[in-house]
Amino acid sequence: SQTIHQWPATLVQPVGSPLSLECTVEGTSNPNLYWYRQAAGRGLQLLFYSVGIGQISSEVPQNLSASRPQDRQFILSSKKLLLSDSGFYLCAGAQSNTGELFFGEGSRLTVL
Amino acid sequence: DQQVKQNSPSLSVQEGRISILNCDYTNSMFDYFLWYKKYPAEGPTFLISISSIKDKNEDGRFTVFLNKSAKHLSLHIVPSQPGDSAVYFCAATGGTSYGKLTFGQGTILTVHP
Repeated sequence: SQTIHQWPATLVQPVGSPLSLECTVEGTSNPNLYWYRQAAGRGLQLLFYSVGIGQISSEVPQNLSASRPQDRQFILSSKKLLLSDSGFYLCAGAQSNTGELFFGEGSRLTVL
Repeated sequence: DQQVKQNSPSLSVQEGRISILNCDYTNSMFDYFLWYKKYPAEGPTFLISISSIKDKNEDGRFTVFLNKSAKHLSLHIVPSQPGDSAVYFCAATGGTSYGKLTFGQGTILTVHP
């Protein structure tokens, strides 16, 4: 079965510092991968998705970027964090055409 | 523009009774709908789904109903258990862009013993 791992689970960073959240996938190959952010009162917002190595689509303009250096690795980054980047970030993967996503455990980012 | 809406931020139910969670959508291209359950500090887990060719899908204690004309779906949990207490997200997708789910705001369900 497909499993999504992401880390770190929690992160406290000062404003202006860089960010790197990593996500890896087990149990499948060539999955679609996604980064979501959970914001209060807004559910889960899709930030980036990738259909393959080096292929990244951004859904919303923001201070973040994503990269997919390997088939089963998806990275969320920022060069300079803003206070508004604080939130709960979720990596997800999809293998079939059902639309069902498998989520990672989530990463809580606090920018001070 | 909130294309998927869960208008009830919270719901409180007694153990053993029915929990009904509601979801409305506006995008007529949506043809596949999913419910996810989320505990604090964890990622959401898939619960149940329904395709637009159906109006009901049942899995154990969980049943999802779809009313396409009203662009409305609901999740019924019978009987409700304290372990069902969590945040429930409704999600929708459409066309060939599978996986690009649009989520509702979530409803916090609390089941009291």
